Amino acid sequence: EDQVTQSPEALRLQEGESSSLNCSYTVSGLRGLFWYRQDPGKGPEFLFTLYSAGEEKEKERLKATLTKKESFLHITAPKPEDSATYLCAVQGPMDTGRRALTFGSGTRLQVQP
Amino acid sequence: NAGVTQTPKFRVLKTGQSMTLLCAQDMNHEYMYWYRQDPGMGLRLIHYSVGEGTTAKGEVPDGYNVSRLKKQNFLLGLESAAPSQTSVYFCASSYRRDRGNTEAFFGQGTRLTVV
Repeated sequence: EDQVTQSPEALRLQEGESSSLNCSYTVSGLRGLFWYRQDPGKGPEFLFTLYSAGEEKEKERLKATLTKKESFLHITAPKPEDSATYLCAVQGPMDTGRRALTFGSGTRLQVQP
Repeated sequence: NAGVTQTPKFRVLKTGQSMTLLCAQDMNHEYMYWYRQDPGMGLRLIHYSVGEGTTAKGEVPDGYNVSRLKKQNFLLGLESAAPSQTSVYFCASSYRRDRGNTEAFFGQGTRLTVV
């Protein structure tokens, strides 16, 4: 059974204070690891997909990295508008047919001015 | 280009009532999903569809039924609502590809309260 654990559950940062969010996963054959951002009352918004260990992707102040057991979402010099819940999800073997994602519970990030 | 649209956005039901949640996508995606999101539990897959006319059970299917009569629409039904079905429901869709651009796109959610 695929499992995804995110830490910390909540994180409060000062504007400009860089930090990292962790996503540990267990899956038999990773097809993809996904990061989403979710604002209150909204649906998850896609950020990144990582497919293999060592891969990195960046978008503005966000950088996602992947190892064989975990992924990190690094936030550099965050701004208040980066406040949101960040979700990590994995996609297991294609032969399951469904291609659905297994999600972690998320990290609630609050960036104070 | 609306993406994934869910209706209604909010609903309050009495125990035992029935309702249907509608999901429509305009991206010509083959795969569609229904998830529920509860505090501290993340998103959990209810049912999914890999194409028009096909549906399958996810992790938490009990108490729900689905239909996909048209490629662009995926309906989630509650035949007899229970308080345990109080949740936020999200529909999502994705392409049918082996690699690349396989991310799921989500709707804005339906907040359902069963009293």
